[in-house]
Amino acid sequence: QKEVEQNSGPLSVPEGAIASLNCTYSDRVSQSFFWYRQYSGKSPELIMSIYSNGDKEDGRFTAQLNKASQYVSLLIRDSQPSDSATYLCAVKNWNTGNQFYFGTGTSLTVIP
Amino acid sequence: EADIYQTPRYLVIGTGKKITLECSQTMGHDKMYWYQQDPGMELHLIHYSYGVNSTEKGDLSSESTVSRIRTEHFPLTLESARPSHTSQYLCASSDAGDLDTQYFGPGTRLTVL
Repeated sequence: QKEVEQNSGPLSVPEGAIASLNCTYSDRVSQSFFWYRQYSGKSPELIMSIYSNGDKEDGRFTAQLNKASQYVSLLIRDSQPSDSATYLCAVKNWNTGNQFYFGTGTSLTVIP
Repeated sequence: EADIYQTPRYLVIGTGKKITLECSQTMGHDKMYWYQQDPGMELHLIHYSYGVNSTEKGDLSSESTVSRIRTEHFPLTLESARPSHTSQYLCASSDAGDLDTQYFGPGTRLTVL
């Protein structure tokens, strides 16, 4: 079982809609969770980090963490064509020397 | 805005050559990482370092070596490049605090002929 699982997509949403990206992780003691955006041929850039159960909002982005269900999600409101990219979920696991584990990413396309 | 740099950005080289990919960061971060990523695929951790004179192998054995003589510098060396090494190489750094967010450099696209 992989440390971090994501639906590879592709996920397509119309412009202005809400895009919902999901991620599950296997190790219950994982402590820190991150969402990165990666445009084709570019390096990942951090969108949000979340450490506590609940929601964390930053502009059009909301990260949601549920440690009991081992589930973290990213909502993108008012999706724009410029949001079209691959979104990587990452988990830091204190039990394995603070290593980061990345999912394979979900490809999002926002249709104008 | 993260200040982490990688050179070269693109490299095409023949089989058997020795190459060094450079990575530098100006943020004073203790932790640095090298990842390998093929197009459309997940990131694989190759090496990491938690500080000067500290280096560890990651999950992916890529027949490479690293060194960490200075905090800001974390070069990756391939002693004998092979076509299977063709990939994107990403360097990242993070501080040692609780946040520990990783920031990535622009990457080096390596092609071995």
